[in-house]
Amino acid sequence: DTAVSQTPKYLVTQMGNDKSIKCEQNLGHDTMYWYKQDSKKFLKIMFSYNNKELIINETVPNRFSPKSPDKAHLNLHINSLELGDSAVYFCASSHSGRTQFFGPGTRLTVL
Amino acid sequence: DQQVKQNSPSLSVQEGRISILNCDYTNSMFDYFLWYKKYPAEGPTFLISISSIKDKNEDGRFTVFLNKSAKHLSLHIVPSQPGDSAVYFCAAALSPTSGTYKYIFGTGTRLKVLA
Repeated sequence: DTAVSQTPKYLVTQMGNDKSIKCEQNLGHDTMYWYKQDSKKFLKIMFSYNNKELIINETVPNRFSPKSPDKAHLNLHINSLELGDSAVYFCASSHSGRTQFFGPGTRLTVL
Repeated sequence: DQQVKQNSPSLSVQEGRISILNCDYTNSMFDYFLWYKKYPAEGPTFLISISSIKDKNEDGRFTVFLNKSAKHLSLHIVPSQPGDSAVYFCAAALSPTSGTYKYIFGTGTRLKVLA
């Protein structure tokens, strides 16, 4: 049973397009996160939701919009994709926030 | 400004020997630390954690040491096994006043255990 799952695993798209990445966790956690790992391998927090409420919102372009329909899901929608958005995006979840469990990642390539 | 640094991008160790992975941080207010292991094309997997009130935490072959005065964290793996070959990330966070822990990650150290 997959604890934190993401779809799609790979996403190749053209500049200017809008795309979404989905995340689901079956761990019963109350907090979910989106991280971005760039080409230099830095893993940086983008957003966090606790019980569907946004609690962390880092300096991220507002082309990125997270949506949490319920505690088990956190989706990431990206408008007007740019070359610099190419990265691996990881979803994570936690209970109490201390230990975060990661999904397998979505590799986004913008051409 | 990188608050969590892993200065060794790679490390090679013989099977059966000890692997020591190092991590330095700059913010003395960090009070919770994690180590993750990551295989290619997979997400990071939680390994072990330590709170700033401790200086050592052990779980099987993995031990994390925390030296607060030096702002230094290390992960010891003994004995090292070929399956330990992966990228290891350390992460540090402040206890939140509200919300959740916001972790700062190092850039990782690639460990290769030679059979």
